[in-house]
Amino acid sequence: GAVVSQHPSRVICKSGTSVKIECRSLDFQATTMFWYRQFPKQSLMLMATSNEGSKATYEQGVEKDKFLINHASLTLSTLTVTSAHPEDSSFYICSAGGTGRNYGYTFGSGTRLTVV
Amino acid sequence: GENVEQHPSTLSVQEGDSAVIKCTYSDSASNYFPWYKQELGKGPQLIIDIRSNVGEKKDQRIAVTLNKTAKHFSLHITETQPEHSAVYFCAASRGSGNTGKLIFGQGTTLQVKP
Repeated sequence: GAVVSQHPSRVICKSGTSVKIECRSLDFQATTMFWYRQFPKQSLMLMATSNEGSKATYEQGVEKDKFLINHASLTLSTLTVTSAHPEDSSFYICSAGGTGRNYGYTFGSGTRLTVV
Repeated sequence: GENVEQHPSTLSVQEGDSAVIKCTYSDSASNYFPWYKQELGKGPQLIIDIRSNVGEKKDQRIAVTLNKTAKHFSLHITETQPEHSAVYFCAASRGSGNTGKLIFGQGTTLQVKP
């Protein structure tokens, strides 16, 4: 079945630094990638949607200059949290929308970001 | 925009009993309704989904029903086992189903007591 590999699974960084999270679709072409964040005991909140080769579309209230999304190929999308602050600490999850037999959404395993 | 409401927020059942989780959605153009199971520290895993041209779908002990008129859909788990304990999320999207936004409900923490 469809597999999305997300790395790293956990990362701790200092305030003011940047962190990059990668999502790769291993066995299908991800025409669309979605990025979510999830606070403890809460639901997944969509941050942005990106289509391969295009600029990402951000949800209301999400700072596009702080959360940089790149979807340069059909198998790789990255989320960079720039100038991270403790309030950016969260669980970030990517999801890839495929085509053909991989209809639907496949989620990565998530990245636990802690900013100290 | 689309809004998905999910109830209950917590559900505790005895092993072997059934569990039902309900969701309502606001966007009548939504046409794809997946259910996810999320274990602590992991990403959501699809357990069953249904499209708007179908009223019910079953997969062993798990079933989903959809009422388009009322704009609600439900997850039914029969003969629950302790391994069913997790957080369950419903979601809805429009369009082709794999490129449209997926909007999640608030989640239900299911506890199955041995």
